[in-house]
Amino acid sequence: GAVVSQHPSWVICKSGTSVKIECRSLDFQATTMFWYRQFPKQSLMLMATSNEGSKATYEQGVEKDKFLINHASLTLSTLTVTSAHPEDSSFYICSARVSGGRRNEQFFGPGTRLTVL
Amino acid sequence: KQEVTQIPAALSVPEGENLVLNCSFTDSAIYNLQWFRQDPGKGLTSLLLIQSSQREQTSGRLNASLDKSSGRSTLYIAASQPGDSATYLCAALSSGSARQLTFGSGTQLTVLP
Repeated sequence: GAVVSQHPSWVICKSGTSVKIECRSLDFQATTMFWYRQFPKQSLMLMATSNEGSKATYEQGVEKDKFLINHASLTLSTLTVTSAHPEDSSFYICSARVSGGRRNEQFFGPGTRLTVL
Repeated sequence: KQEVTQIPAALSVPEGENLVLNCSFTDSAIYNLQWFRQDPGKGLTSLLLIQSSQREQTSGRLNASLDKSSGRSTLYIAASQPGDSATYLCAALSSGSARQLTFGSGTQLTVLP
């Protein structure tokens, strides 16, 4: 149980286009989902926290108008990278926290590799 | 602000050795601490989660310990195998209302056959 999926697993796009990444909790409900970014040889950095039905909370230095997050249901959150540029190329990983879970455990998706040409 | 540090950054050992990976955190007000494995270009695989009230957790050849007062956790891998080669990340979950997970920079482990 507690599986999180991401789609697509990789995407290549031209500079200036927008890219949407989906994150789904497959067998549980998640009131809270998280989006992380990981640059090569570096650790995961939290970009934003999204709660179902409300606006996402962005970490300092993350542009909310560039990284649009929608958490429309208890099983789906989307991250849209708008007007992507080469510096946005990175590995994006989402995670979901089980609603009402006692362990406060987060389950992670397999990641999406974004390459902006 | 929580800071998580992992030492060493990279480690290379011959197959069969027992090894210890270290993780330290600056704010002891944590809810839990989690160890993950990440293979190149892949997502995270959760290995062990230790609640703040626990001292250690074991799964197969892996044993993780937690000392909240000193802000330290260790991951012990027994009888290492080439398949254990990966980057190991620890992450501390803050106990405040934000419940934010802060990651260390990882230890890249190579087990030589």
